[in-house]
Amino acid sequence: EVQLLESGGGLVQPGGSLRLSCAASGFSFNNYAMNWVRQAPGRGLEWVSGISGSGATTFYADSVKGRFTISRDNSKKALFVEMNSLRAEDTAVYFCARVSCGSECYYKMDVWGQGTTVTVSS
Amino acid sequence: DNVMTQSPLSLPVTPGEPASISCRSSQSLVHSNGRNYLDWYVQKPGQSPQLLIYLVSNRASGVPDRFSGSGSGTDFTLKISRVEAEDVGVYYCMQPLQIPFTFGQGTRLEIK
Repeated sequence: EVQLLESGGGLVQPGGSLRLSCAASGFSFNNYAMNWVRQAPGRGLEWVSGISGSGATTFYADSVKGRFTISRDNSKKALFVEMNSLRAEDTAVYFCARVSCGSECYYKMDVWGQGTTVTVSS
Repeated sequence: DNVMTQSPLSLPVTPGEPASISCRSSQSLVHSNGRNYLDWYVQKPGQSPQLLIYLVSNRASGVPDRFSGSGSGTDFTLKISRVEAEDVGVYYCMQPLQIPFTFGQGTRLEIK
């Protein structure tokens, strides 16, 4: 079964750091670009970051650029996002999503994880 | 940024009736390959988002043919020919063409 499972969320103080993981199963992970998408409480969806299948190309939303780093370990079929200098406005459910148009394009997010909750508060 | 604007934001529909959601982008979504890069997602209550339509008009696997997408350039539409109770949720358009990728605000479809 094709599946994505996020982990690593939790409560962190402003200015703190957190590393989210997304474990993939049931498909050839390295053949797919991946995205992180978040949803603040009661709000809509916000794209956060994307990475190509090889990991060579990464993209970020302006709101997280310089603070978040996306990466992947294709040998372990895992996606990560390292989040530093966290702010209250980063509080959200974070979803990882598979992009199934290929390894270098970013439309068609056809598999989503269940999400992991990040709360930034003192 | 390419701003995505959806309307309406709330859509009460009687079962069996049609529904339509508009999505407008502030910049063209035409890729150099000639395709329009516009996807639709739905988030049903308590669930993760799921892909509905990609590249304007291609239904994702398992999506009923009562869902259809159309449009080009900056103007796009999602139509449901006959709404069913299971269609309740928030519908989002998204442009995966220009960084940062952007979503519309979401349209909440509810059953009357």
